Amino acid sequence: AQSVTQLGSHVSVSEGALVLLRCNYSSSVPPYLFWYVQYPNQGLQLLLKYTTGATLVKGINGFEAEFKKSETSFHLTKPSAHMSDAAEYFCAVSVVPGGTSYGKLTFGQGTILTVHP
Amino acid sequence: DAGVIQSPRHEVTEMGQEVTLRCKPISGHNSLFWYRQTMMRGLELLIYFNNNVPIDDSGMPEDRFSAKMPNASFSTLKIQPSEPRDSAVYFCASNSYPDTQYFGPGTRLTVL
Repeated sequence: AQSVTQLGSHVSVSEGALVLLRCNYSSSVPPYLFWYVQYPNQGLQLLLKYTTGATLVKGINGFEAEFKKSETSFHLTKPSAHMSDAAEYFCAVSVVPGGTSYGKLTFGQGTILTVHP
Repeated sequence: DAGVIQSPRHEVTEMGQEVTLRCKPISGHNSLFWYRQTMMRGLELLIYFNNNVPIDDSGMPEDRFSAKMPNASFSTLKIQPSEPRDSAVYFCASNSYPDTQYFGPGTRLTVL
């Protein structure tokens, strides 16, 4: 079974400051890892994903995340926050292809990012 | 592509009424997922299909909920009878396994 823990349900930063959203996962098999963003009254949009290969992955809007197997982490960062980054962010895990998971995702509880002027 | 399409976007109904939510996945995608999002429980997977066949419905909360996928381009989630605690945002997502899941805009359901 897989699980995802996002540390901090709310994170507040100033515009221009570093954004760090934490995600730890538990999986008995090699995982695929995802970050999604949800703006108010919208569906979830993929920010970035890790499947195999390079452990530092870059996504849209200047975000990136690093897969650290030894720490079972996949933290999301952005060097300089923008007002438009204010949203809720979800970390998710799925198993590598095989079996009957068909890309089923297990989501964390979400982190609401607030950006102050 | 138009993305995942859900209808209606908003639904307000009275307790006891039947509610049907609709989803059109992205063309060519072979897996479809129904989620429910609430403040209290977060994002929950209700059921998912692969090639129109239900694979896992263990997330469906009770027998009042049912889902069908009669063909590759259409799925429904039905609640009968509806209750106030069913109020939530319901999302549909699709993927071309093992690729990324793409989400629809959601249906906001309010049961009075």
